[in-house]
Amino acid sequence: DQQVKQNSPSLSVQEGRISILNCDYTNSMFDYFLWYKKYPAEGPTFLISISSIKDKNEDGRFTVFLNKSAKHLSLHIVPSQPGDSAVYFCAARRQGAQKLVFGQGTRLTINP
Amino acid sequence: KAGVTQTPRYLIKTRGQQVTLSCSPISGHRSVSWYQQTPGQGLQFLFEYFSETQRNKGNFPGRFSGRQFSNSRSEMNVSTLELGDSALYLCASSETGYDTEAFFGQGTRLTVV
Repeated sequence: DQQVKQNSPSLSVQEGRISILNCDYTNSMFDYFLWYKKYPAEGPTFLISISSIKDKNEDGRFTVFLNKSAKHLSLHIVPSQPGDSAVYFCAARRQGAQKLVFGQGTRLTINP
Repeated sequence: KAGVTQTPRYLIKTRGQQVTLSCSPISGHRSVSWYQQTPGQGLQFLFEYFSETQRNKGNFPGRFSGRQFSNSRSEMNVSTLELGDSALYLCASSETGYDTEAFFGQGTRLTVV
């Protein structure tokens, strides 16, 4: 049972435009959400997170939006840069749990 | 501050063999989690250790085991390797395991032939 889903395996965006990566979850017990970025042959790197008590969190070019009623979150990257090309994973965690549940990832390609 | 270090980076093993992977967490971090990444299943949680105790375990067979030492370094062991165990094994460290983020190592790429 895939509790965290990233339905777009890939996304291609023009440099300078906005990249929007989406993530859906099914478990209402999740209370913390994270986005990780992964380059080939490297481990995931933490990008940004959001608690379920918020609906938006911003860090530089990265903004995460959380819609609890829809069980949906999205990561916005503005403006997109070539170095943003990577696989992006959405992850969720239940309150009091250490385990992260990951989506399948979305490969983002930024075209010059 | 040094990051999470995993050794070795690459391994090739034969079916039926066993393998041990190592993870050194960030200094001061006492929680170490292990994940398996495969193309078909994505990143799947294996287990988490804190202060030498396994606190949480994912849905993997008993062939997968781990331990943590008093210096927080962790090892995971896979016995009787199967072809399907070929994957990237990642470990992540954090201070308590309940932190807002976990820091990942570069992973160990295991190939079973």
